[in-house]
Amino acid sequence: EDQVTQSPEALRLQEGESSSLNCSYTVSGLRGLFWYRQDPGKGPEFLFTLYSAGEEKEKERLKATLTKKESFLHITAPKPEDSATYLCAVQDPGSARQLTFGSGTQLTVLP
Amino acid sequence: SQTIHQWPATLVQPVGSPLSLECTVEGTSNPNLYWYRQAAGRGLQLLFYSVGIGQISSEVPQNLSASRPQDRQFILSSKKLLLSDSGFYLCAWSVYRGESTDTQYFGPGTRLTVL
Repeated sequence: EDQVTQSPEALRLQEGESSSLNCSYTVSGLRGLFWYRQDPGKGPEFLFTLYSAGEEKEKERLKATLTKKESFLHITAPKPEDSATYLCAVQDPGSARQLTFGSGTQLTVLP
Repeated sequence: SQTIHQWPATLVQPVGSPLSLECTVEGTSNPNLYWYRQAAGRGLQLLFYSVGIGQISSEVPQNLSASRPQDRQFILSSKKLLLSDSGFYLCAWSVYRGESTDTQYFGPGTRLTVL
């Protein structure tokens, strides 16, 4: 059974204070690892897909990296508008392209 | 561009009442469709998915059901709601293009409170 664990559960940063969120996973064969951003009361917004170890993708202040066992979402010089819950999910090849989600990291960036 | 709609946005229902949530997708054809539920402070749990009209797969045994009467319409139903059915219900779509994976895009969600 696929498992996805995100840490920390909550993170408070000062504006400009860079940090990383972790997503560790257990899956028989990774088809893809996804990062989403979710604002309160809204649906998740797609950020990145990573397919293989060593891959990196960037979008504005966010950078996602992938190893064989975990993924990191690096946030450089965050701003208050980056405050949200960040969700990680994996897709395994044995399923009908279903996703298994972690519980998320709630990020708060203080001005 | 593709758009996904869900309604209603919020719903308060008494225990034992029926439920019908609707999801429609615009701007694409033959999408894969998914229903997820998100409990407070928790990740998303896949409830149902559909790869075509009339084709529904259930992931979690429960008193909910799903139907896909049209290519871009997905409906989540219940005959009698339980307190435990409260949560945030999300519909998602994806299109398989023969690649190794396909990205799921989510709708705005329906907040259901069962009293």
